[in-house]
Amino acid sequence: TQLLEQSPQFLSIQEGENLTVYCNSSSVFSSLQWYRQEPGEGPVLLVTVVTGGEVKKLKRLTFQFGDARKDSSLHITAAQPGDTGLYLCAGANNNAGNMLTFGGGTRLMVKP
Amino acid sequence: EPEVTQTPSHQVTQMGQEVILRCVPISNHLYFYWYRQILGQKVEFLVSFYNNEISEKSEIFDDQFSVERPDGSNFTLKIRSTKLEDSAMYFCASTRGRYNEQFFGPGTRLTVL
Repeated sequence: TQLLEQSPQFLSIQEGENLTVYCNSSSVFSSLQWYRQEPGEGPVLLVTVVTGGEVKKLKRLTFQFGDARKDSSLHITAAQPGDTGLYLCAGANNNAGNMLTFGGGTRLMVKP
Repeated sequence: EPEVTQTPSHQVTQMGQEVILRCVPISNHLYFYWYRQILGQKVEFLVSFYNNEISEKSEIFDDQFSVERPDGSNFTLKIRSTKLEDSAMYFCASTRGRYNEQFFGPGTRLTVL
C-alpha cells in the first residue's frame, strides 16, 4: 500500500509570509498532482509534476518533484488571504490503473 | 471550460437502502474514477473504469458497490444496501488518457441514517 504523508497539517501565517508544504512517501510515484479543495467541493487541480527533479511555477506557487519521485513540495511566496484553503498532494501509480493516493492535506490560513 | 458534474449534490438515505450516484465526465475523457472522502479523513480511491469495465478497485469497493456507464455520457456508482459507514463525500473524476491528470467533480454528500 502506498502512503503519502503531508506536513504540516495546519498552517496559519500572516499575509506576505512565505511557506512550504511537504509531501513525502517511501514509494515511487509515476507522477504527482497538487490540488486545492474548498469546503464541500471537489479537489481542483493546480499542477502535475512527472519528471524527477521537475520544478513548475504557477504565479507565486512553486512545485517541485523529488529526484527519486518519492516526495514533492509546494512553496508559496508572499502568501495572500486568497491562498487560504486545503492543499492536497496525490501520487499517481501507472501500474495500478493510474489510481491516486492522496495525502492528508494541509489546511492553510493566511491572515490579512 | 468543460467540467465533471455530479448529481445529486446531497443524498440522504436510510440504512439498507440502495443509492445511485451520478456523474457526467468531461466529454472526450475515456477513463473514469470514483473516490470517497469520509469527513475529516483522506480522499480514498474506490474504482477506476475504462472501456466499459473496471480497471482497478480498492478493498473498500466490495460486492455492495457497482459502477456502470449506462449511456455515452453518464457514469454511475451504485451502493446496494447502504451502511452508516458509507456516509461520505463521493467524488467522480475523469481523464483523457490513462496517464493524464484527473479532473474531479464537485462531489455528492451521502448521508446514511
